[in-house]
Amino acid sequence: DPKIIQKPKYLVAVTGSEKILICEQYLGHNAMYWYRQSAKKPLEFMFSYSYQKLMDNQTASSRFQPQSSKKNHLDLQITALKPDDSATYFCASSHTNNQDTQYFGPGTRLLVL
Amino acid sequence: DAKTTQPDSMESTEGETVHLPCSHATISGNEYIYWYRQVPLQGPEYVTHGLQQNTTNSMAFLAIASDRKSSTLILPHVSLRDAAVYHCILRVPRNNNNAPRFGAGTKLSVKP
Repeated sequence: DPKIIQKPKYLVAVTGSEKILICEQYLGHNAMYWYRQSAKKPLEFMFSYSYQKLMDNQTASSRFQPQSSKKNHLDLQITALKPDDSATYFCASSHTNNQDTQYFGPGTRLLVL
Repeated sequence: DAKTTQPDSMESTEGETVHLPCSHATISGNEYIYWYRQVPLQGPEYVTHGLQQNTTNSMAFLAIASDRKSSTLILPHVSLRDAAVYHCILRVPRNNNNAPRFGAGTKLSVKP
């Protein structure tokens, strides 16, 4: 059974629209993260949460807003979508927010037309 | 966190033992050395980590230089499934701003 679920697997959106990427982890972890990977580029850290609180934000744009309704959920809301937002978005989690091992989800592949 | 340097790519053949180098000349005393790998279309996968002593697990052996300025991930008897981008990352424990930052890594190709 998958321990980190990301939904949807693929997502096509039009410029200017809003989408929510879902992430749920069933590992009992207290820290969750979002990363983004554009085509042929390194993985880029976006946010980290610990016990549902924002710990680190490396995303310049306020169009990206994490939402944590439960300890094991960290969704990512993206507003006013642009073609440059096209990427694969990976969710990850770890037991705590220090050197603990991170586990990554399968990713959501977003294409903005 | 201190910076790491890895070769862009390496080639190997199935069954070989592969040595993936990582240089971290400015590593701090409290920074751990982590290795992840990523295959196309999937998220990164934890491989191993260490602080000072060499470590081993079912996936790999991590050799850390005595001065900690470099490390080598050793993959014994590689198979086609080991083809991936391998990332060497330094992390500070108990630092709230501690999410791993990934670089380009080393792309390992494995030939049959």
